[in-house]
Amino acid sequence: GAVVSQHPSRVICKSGTSVKIECRSLDFQATTMFWYRQFPKQSLMLMATSNEGSKATYEQGVEKDKFLINHASLTLSTLTVTSAHPEDSSFYICSARDRLAGGYEQYFGPGTRLTVT
Amino acid sequence: AQSVAQPEDQVNVAEGNPLTVKCTYSVSGNPYLFWYVQYPNRGLQFLLKYITGDNLVKGSYGFEAEFNKSQTSFHLKKPSALVSDSALYFCAVRDLMNSGYSTLTFGKGTMLLVSP
Repeated sequence: GAVVSQHPSRVICKSGTSVKIECRSLDFQATTMFWYRQFPKQSLMLMATSNEGSKATYEQGVEKDKFLINHASLTLSTLTVTSAHPEDSSFYICSARDRLAGGYEQYFGPGTRLTVT
Repeated sequence: AQSVAQPEDQVNVAEGNPLTVKCTYSVSGNPYLFWYVQYPNRGLQFLLKYITGDNLVKGSYGFEAEFNKSQTSFHLKKPSALVSDSALYFCAVRDLMNSGYSTLTFGKGTMLLVSP
């Protein structure tokens, strides 16, 4: 149980275009979903937290107009990187917390490798 | 804010030998501590957690960790390393973010390399 999927796993886009990444909890309902960014050989940095039906809360230094997050349902959150630039190239990982499981554990998706050319 | 520190960028161990990956924490209140493993180009897999109770926590794939309050440590251990254990290991602590929600704050990661 407790599987989180992400789609796509890899995406290459041209500078100036927008890319949408989907995160789904497959076998549980996620009260809260998190989006992280990971640079090569570095740790995960939290970008934003979202709850179903409400606006995402962004961490300091993260541009909310550039990284649009929509948490449309208890099983789906999307991250859209708008007007992507090469510096946005990174590994993006989503995470979800099970609504019914006490909230201590987070389950992570497999990540999406974004390359902006 | 809570934080964890992983002092080693890389740990090298021979297959069959015991391994230790170090983690120290800095928290206010009771710590909720976690270990995750990441294989190349993959997301994080949960290994184990300490919330309360026994200081020795047993987790997945034969890993265990010992919570030591006096030393503020939560080192990850395994009695006999496998080559397949080679991966990036993250220590994490539950933290309250600016959003008001709690999430995980991660250490910088330690690369474990197990040689045949």
